[in-house]
Amino acid sequence: GQQLNQSPQSMFIQEGEDVSMNCTSSSIFNTWLWYKQEPGEGPVLLIALYKAGELTSNGRLTAQFGITRKDSFLNISASIPSDVGIYFCAAPEGTSYDKVIFGPGTSLSVIP
Amino acid sequence: DSGVTQTPKHLITATGQRVTLRCSPRSGDLSVYWYQQSLDQGLQFLIQYYNGEERAKGNILERFSAQQFPDLHSELNLSSLELGDSALYFCASSVVAGGNNEQFFGPGTRLTVL
Repeated sequence: GQQLNQSPQSMFIQEGEDVSMNCTSSSIFNTWLWYKQEPGEGPVLLIALYKAGELTSNGRLTAQFGITRKDSFLNISASIPSDVGIYFCAAPEGTSYDKVIFGPGTSLSVIP
Repeated sequence: DSGVTQTPKHLITATGQRVTLRCSPRSGDLSVYWYQQSLDQGLQFLIQYYNGEERAKGNILERFSAQQFPDLHSELNLSSLELGDSALYFCASSVVAGGNNEQFFGPGTRLTVL
């Protein structure tokens, strides 16, 4: 079936540094989603991307829908301790959100 | 707080047993989704209900079943439990089904099978 790959698997960075992570697939998707999961909580949607090449920001977070529609990127600028968590990319199979597949996640640790 | 509630928060049981996980969606949401999150498989979509009817099915085992009741709460039933069923089970809800409707996740139920 369709599968999403994320890299890096984990990151340890200093507070204030910028972060980049990506998500790739061998399949084409029409929507890319980025979620964050904090310990003891469910995932929370950060950014949704709907068009190839689209660049969307949410505060210090910026995500891009890859031009090939097979990848997406998430950048976090000037990281702070509360950015700690697992970041998942996700993509709906087909044209609706009924079946969403998730990547394995990138675990982010921020050292104060 | 997403507005989605799940009970219980933790559940410890033995192999071969049956358990029921409960989910109450956000007020007004008609669609409920169940996911399993394990260390080796990641977050996997199990099943979706919309207004009481099954709408989409993912990698759900035959030992697992779900339903959505008239008051829109949902239950996930796991039977003949195996060690490998130990995982976090999340429920999510959205206003309607289909389209680009954001799913809001509950805090999850951690199931441990001994």
